[in-house]
Amino acid sequence: ETGVTQTPRHLVMGMTNKKSLKCEQHLGHNAMYWYKQSAKKPLELMFVYNFKEQTENNSVPSRFSPECPNSSHLFLHLHTLQPEDSALYLCASGRSTDTQYFGPGTRLTVL
Amino acid sequence: KQEVTQIPAALSVPEGENLVLNCSFTDSAIYNLQWFRQDPGKGLTSLLLIQSSQREQTSGRLNASLDKSSGRSTLYIAASQPGDSATYLCAVRPLSGGNTPLVFGKGTRLSVIA
Repeated sequence: ETGVTQTPRHLVMGMTNKKSLKCEQHLGHNAMYWYKQSAKKPLELMFVYNFKEQTENNSVPSRFSPECPNSSHLFLHLHTLQPEDSALYLCASGRSTDTQYFGPGTRLTVL
Repeated sequence: KQEVTQIPAALSVPEGENLVLNCSFTDSAIYNLQWFRQDPGKGLTSLLLIQSSQREQTSGRLNASLDKSSGRSTLYIAASQPGDSATYLCAVRPLSGGNTPLVFGKGTRLSVIA
């Protein structure tokens, strides 16, 4: 248990659905991250938030929309996804140059 | 652009064997390097964090070394156990520091056979 929680743990959605992934940390960290992990690929950074401000968008398609209402919560809103978006989505939090703490991930399947 | 490579991609060893996992990175301008463990379908757990000024870190049966100038790190696991079976990921933090995102390798999938 790292102190970073993610819900839901599993999600199956159609290409026309709209859903949201949630990440929560109460570790006092000021940075939060979304990563995508596809089979046989390195972890891909998607978004970075520092003190609730988005500081990095790694050329992510607009069908993924992040939201960070406060430093403890991070959302990833999903709409009109494609089957190739099926992956494990990992949230992480951290503080400055410390290690990052990862949540358990959401396994997303797009039909 | 920083790239991280891990060799081998997969490794299977009998229980009790000592083993070494390798990680290389293309840009030596790093702030630190970390080794993570990932169990199937799960998140990542940090194992060892080596700052750029350090040469190695140890935790129990794990020892990680860092040779920044040559762009290499190794993770040594002593007396391997079936519970060590997992994917091991290496990641570097580029020198710009702060909350600069980590750059990950693809991982080494380790199986320890009882």
